[in-house]
Amino acid sequence: AQSVAQPEDQVNVAEGNPLTVKCTYSVSGNPYLFWYVQYPNRGLQFLLKYITGDNLVKGSYGFEAEFNKSQTSFHLKKPSALVSDSALYFCAVRAANAGKSTFGDGTTLTVKP
Amino acid sequence: GAGVSQTPSNKVTEKGKYVELRCDPISGHTALYWYRQSLGQGPEFLIYFQGTGAADDSGLPNDRFFAVRPEGSVSTLKIQRTERGDSAVYLCASSDLGLAGDTQYFGPGTRLTVL
Repeated sequence: AQSVAQPEDQVNVAEGNPLTVKCTYSVSGNPYLFWYVQYPNRGLQFLLKYITGDNLVKGSYGFEAEFNKSQTSFHLKKPSALVSDSALYFCAVRAANAGKSTFGDGTTLTVKP
Repeated sequence: GAGVSQTPSNKVTEKGKYVELRCDPISGHTALYWYRQSLGQGPEFLIYFQGTGAADDSGLPNDRFFAVRPEGSVSTLKIQRTERGDSAVYLCASSDLGLAGDTQYFGPGTRLTVL
């Protein structure tokens, strides 16, 4: 079975400050990890993914995420937050032989001016 | 290019009725996925197609739910004898080859309300 935990329902940061949205996972074998963002009344938009290779992956809109195998984590980061980054963020995991993704329950990011 | 589209965007029905939700994947994508998202939760996997066949339907909650993809492109999710607990946003996604590392691209969803 595969699972994802996003321990924070809400993250608040000031504009210009760094942000981190946490994600831990459980899966058999090598994980495939994804971050998506969801704006109100919109579908999920892909941000970035980890498949193999460099533990630090870079994605859209200046976001990056660090894969840590020993801690089974895949935290989303951005060096300098923008008000427009305010949205709902989902982490997802997939096993190597699986088509389905398992998602966390999401973290609401609020960036205040 | 065109993304994943879903119709209708909203569907209101009465308990016990039958509904069909449609998904048009990105052209050329082999794999198609259905998820259900309830308020305050992440998307929950329902079923995954590789071409015309259902490769994994382990997420379908019961036999009232059924999905088809007869020509390997458009898919329809069918729900019989709807219940109030079926109310949710139904999301469709597609990916190029259906490999584990492929990105799944999501449509805007169909919001189903069962009265």
